[in-house]
Amino acid sequence: AQSVTQLDSQVPVFEEAPVELRCNYSSSVSVYLFWYVQYPNQGLQLLLKYLSGSTLVKGINGFEAEFNKSQTSFHLRKPSVHISDTAEYFCAVRKNNAGNMLTFGGGTRLMVKP
Amino acid sequence: GAVVSQHPSRVICKSGTSVKIECRSLDFQATTMFWYRQFPKQSLMLMATSNEGSKATYEQGVEKDKFLINHASLTLSTLTVTSAHPEDSSFYICSAPKQALNTEAFFGQGTRLTVV
Repeated sequence: AQSVTQLDSQVPVFEEAPVELRCNYSSSVSVYLFWYVQYPNQGLQLLLKYLSGSTLVKGINGFEAEFNKSQTSFHLRKPSVHISDTAEYFCAVRKNNAGNMLTFGGGTRLMVKP
Repeated sequence: GAVVSQHPSRVICKSGTSVKIECRSLDFQATTMFWYRQFPKQSLMLMATSNEGSKATYEQGVEKDKFLINHASLTLSTLTVTSAHPEDSSFYICSAPKQALNTEAFFGQGTRLTVV
């Protein structure tokens, strides 16, 4: 079985400050890793994904994430956040050898303050 | 990019009635779709996997007679909440993987169901 842990349920940060949202996973097999963003009462939008290759992945809206196999982590970062980045962020994993089912972390609410 | 459309976005219904939620893949065919439920301030929990032309696969603890899933075509899956009760109030989200890019799932906009 695989699991995803997002260590922080809420992250308050001031506008233009850097932010890191943490994600750790456990799996007995290789996985694909994803970060999604959810705005209120909306579905999920893909921010970025790691499939293979370079461990540093760049996504939309200035976000990036780094896959660390030894630490089984996939933390999301942005050097300077905006008010509009306030949303719920979900880390997800999918086994790369079967199916398309995603396992989600508990989510992290990013609250950007002026 | 691939688009998944979910309808309705919001619905309010009376206890005891049934509600149907549609999930459509607009520019690709999806033999598999996933239905998730999300409680306030919580993560998405997979309810069931919808398979075109065959029965859905339900996750443990999900009542298949209460949450009826039909995947009659390659672009449409429906979730019907039967005899709805207030505890069924939740945010329901569907997703579909695009087979040519089978490493990514595309999500619908979600449906906010309120049972009064």
